[in-house]
Amino acid sequence: KQEVTQIPAALSVPEGENLVLNCSFTDSAIYNLQWFRQDPGKGLTSLLLIQSSQREQTSGRLNASLDKSSGRSTLYIAASQPGDSATYLCAVPLMDSSYKLIFGSGTRLLVRP
Amino acid sequence: KAGVTQTPRYLIKTRGQQVTLSCSPISGHRSVSWYQQTPGQGLQFLFEYFSETQRNKGNFPGRFSGRQFSNSRSEMNVSTLELGDSALYLCASRQGGDNSPLHFGNGTRLTVT
Repeated sequence: KQEVTQIPAALSVPEGENLVLNCSFTDSAIYNLQWFRQDPGKGLTSLLLIQSSQREQTSGRLNASLDKSSGRSTLYIAASQPGDSATYLCAVPLMDSSYKLIFGSGTRLLVRP
Repeated sequence: KAGVTQTPRYLIKTRGQQVTLSCSPISGHRSVSWYQQTPGQGLQFLFEYFSETQRNKGNFPGRFSGRQFSNSRSEMNVSTLELGDSALYLCASRQGGDNSPLHFGNGTRLTVT
């Protein structure tokens, strides 16, 4: 059974700091891993999707890596800004029904001005 | 291109009533899935529709149902509402294929009193 864990549950950093969010999963047989951002009371915004054959994906100040063998992914945020404050979630689809995502519980990030 | 649109944004219902939530996917997306988000359980898969057919359903009671129309728009219905049904209900669409990302709407916040 696939389980997804995110540590830490919450993180507070000063503006400008580079930071890393962690995501781990128990079953390495995955199609991909997707990172999302959720602002309070809002839906999820897709940030990055890394396919199982890829090692990393980049979008602006965000870089996501994937290590299937160890069951880990990291989301690196460079030069953090107060606008980056949100909850970050990672999710993996089930192999037998790829539209069904298993989500981690998220990391709540606060970037202090 | 417009994103995933969910209506209404907020709903307040009393126990025993029923409710219908609506979701319009991104144009061209034929797969629509629904998720329930609560503070205690996080994000949980409800069901997914593709070409008007339900392909899979999560571990929810039969009070939760849905459908998809020929234009890919989807509705979910919850009958005989219970207090525990209070949650943020999120709809997501994707273009197709195991490696296509899910795109979420802003959700419908349902409060059952």
